[in-house]
Amino acid sequence: DSGVTQTPKHLITATGQRVTLRCSPRSGDLSVYWYQQSLDQGLQFLIQYYNGEERAKGNILERFSAQQFPDLHSELNLSSLELGDSALYFCASKSDGDTGELFFGEGSRLTVL
Amino acid sequence: GNSVTQMEGPVTLSEEAFLTINCTYTATGYPSLFWYVQYPGEGLQLLLKATKADDKGSNKGFEATYRKETTSFHLEKGSVQVSDSAVYFCALSDPNTGNQFYFGTGTSLTVIP
Repeated sequence: DSGVTQTPKHLITATGQRVTLRCSPRSGDLSVYWYQQSLDQGLQFLIQYYNGEERAKGNILERFSAQQFPDLHSELNLSSLELGDSALYFCASKSDGDTGELFFGEGSRLTVL
Repeated sequence: GNSVTQMEGPVTLSEEAFLTINCTYTATGYPSLFWYVQYPGEGLQLLLKATKADDKGSNKGFEATYRKETTSFHLEKGSVQVSDSAVYFCALSDPNTGNQFYFGTGTSLTVIP
C-alpha cells in the first residue's frame, strides 16, 4: 500500500461526458502529480501541483483540468470525453526534498464508449 | 532537455536466466535515478533508486548503478523468477526543473517456467 488513494478505480462513460477523478496523497506529501497511461503512449505526465499551486504542466489537453485543495487532495476533471481518452489515470505524491521518489496510487481506469 | 531512453520490449526469459534492461538518460543537472515496476493491474511501485553518481540501488535481487560517465542506469538481476513478470520503467527526477520526473517508455518482461 503506497498510501496514495484514488477513486474511482473503474469508470465507464460515454463520449461527450465529463468525469472527475480524485486523489488523496500520502499523509504529509505536498506534491501531487497526474499521469495518463494508455497502451500506445506509455506514461504521459499531465500536471503537477505543490501545496495547492500548479507547479508544472505536461501534455494536458485543454478539455482536462485539475486542482489541489487546501486539504491537499486533488481532482482531475476530464470533459467532452472522446474515445481516445480511455486510459489509466495515475496520481502520485512526493515528499519535499530533491531526491525523493514518487508514490503512485492504483489508478483510475476510464473507459469511454 | 531531460529524457530517458530504455530498452524496447517485450523481453521473454526463462526462469533463472540473467536479466539486463538498459536505460540511458539525458539531464541538465544532477538527477536522481529510479526503477519502477508495474505488475499486471497495479500501479507503479518503486523498485530501487540512486541519488548520486556511482551509487548502487538494490532491492529484491535487482541492482542498478548510477554511471555518470556513460549516463546509464541499467537494471540487472542474476536469476529471474516467474513472479518478476511485469513492466519496468526507468525514470529520472531533476531538481533543476522543480523535481519533474521523466519516465522511459517501459519494458515488458515475461518470465516463463
